[in-house]
Amino acid sequence: AQSVTQLGSHVSVSEGALVLLRCNYSSSVPPYLFWYVQYPNQGLQLLLKYTTGATLVKGINGFEAEFKKSETSFHLTKPSAHMSDAAEYFCALNTDKLIFGTGTRLQVFP
Amino acid sequence: GAGVSQSPRYKVAKRGQDVALRCDPISGHVSLFWYQQALGQGPEFLTYFQNEAQLDKSGLPSDRFFAERPEGSVSTLKIQRTQQEDSAVYLCASSRQGSLPGNEKLFFGSGTQLSVL
Repeated sequence: AQSVTQLGSHVSVSEGALVLLRCNYSSSVPPYLFWYVQYPNQGLQLLLKYTTGATLVKGINGFEAEFKKSETSFHLTKPSAHMSDAAEYFCALNTDKLIFGTGTRLQVFP
Repeated sequence: GAGVSQSPRYKVAKRGQDVALRCDPISGHVSLFWYQQALGQGPEFLTYFQNEAQLDKSGLPSDRFFAERPEGSVSTLKIQRTQQEDSAVYLCASSRQGSLPGNEKLFFGSGTQLSVL
């Protein structure tokens, strides 16, 4: 069965600090992996995606994620948090339908 | 329109009432998806259309849930005899291609927040 696990429902960082949001997946076939962001009262927006090829994927707003098959992970990082990064982040796995993790709420403190 | 539009934005229903939620996908998008997002959870797949054909409805939680897309554009999700457990945000998404998601980017609407009292 395909599944996505996001470790930590809430993450708090100071402005300028490293952001690390964890995602592990389970899939019996090579996965397509995504990170989506959801700002309050807005729809989900695609941050980045991994399909094939380069395992380090760069997305919008300075975010990037690295696909590690040996660890079945696809963690999201950003070197320096900004106040505007505060949102809910969802990792997702795609085989025949998009399966989401439960989300991680990122808080950024000044 | 420029994005996926959903209406109403908020819906309050009394238990047992029928509701209809509307989704206007991006013009020309072939695929349309409905998701249910309960409070504190990630979105969960409900159903998928390719044009007017409903190709997957495996996520619909009961026979009280029904979705249609008769002309291959606007879609309606109908919930009959609503129950409190139906309270959630219902998200609609569309994508340009007609194939199953794969690596295709989905464009999401802002959702309809349904509260059943």
